[in-house]
Amino acid sequence: GAGVSQSPSNKVTEKGKDVELRCDPISGHTALYWYRQSLGQGLEFLIYFQGNSAPDKSGLPSDRFSAERTGGSVSTLTIQRTQQEDSAVYLCASNPFGSYTEAFFGQGTRLTVV
Amino acid sequence: AQSVTQLDSQVPVFEEAPVELRCNYSSSVSVYLFWYVQYPNQGLQLLLKYLSGSTLVKGINGFEAEFNKSQTSFHLRKPSVHISDTAEYFCAVRGYQGGSEKLVFGKGTKLTVNP
Repeated sequence: GAGVSQSPSNKVTEKGKDVELRCDPISGHTALYWYRQSLGQGLEFLIYFQGNSAPDKSGLPSDRFSAERTGGSVSTLTIQRTQQEDSAVYLCASNPFGSYTEAFFGQGTRLTVV
Repeated sequence: AQSVTQLDSQVPVFEEAPVELRCNYSSSVSVYLFWYVQYPNQGLQLLLKYLSGSTLVKGINGFEAEFNKSQTSFHLRKPSVHISDTAEYFCAVRGYQGGSEKLVFGKGTKLTVNP
């Protein structure tokens, strides 16, 4: 596609349920990021995939959070046993190979845990 | 570990006034620096980036930023702002460290341009 695509755009879930958020990066982009944006907290880094290298998971806030990237393309962020503090906008970004290149962002998934 | 500090969470200014949004970074390695803008209810888009070469970088919508290695700063400036510049601005740094080249963002500066 022309840009980074995220689905769903909005998700309301009950506390304790599991959710899956999907990201479709720009075709050919080797790097993919997940961030969490909460009011006043900026963009909190969650996880970074680069090609076939082991992902940098240093930003995942707890073991309830996990992500995978299949075939070097689509990525899924899974949050298990959701809590109210997980409510935020989850942003995905991708960039071509090379650390000098900028990241392109999707529109995000707004997650509300009730 | 690399990090980014945006010194002002909110900056109110009047239309046609100059503005500077401050950004300091910490990293023990060579870095690439970026400014992104997020307009209300929209996604993030790139304003400008510093990779190497001239320390003064020009971006879209009349914005520019200056890389200062000795002060580890990358402040964003515009000589005359418009109402339409009202948005949140994020500074970001990427550097190779610990086998990762992750892109790290600051907490953002909300710029409000008043008539």
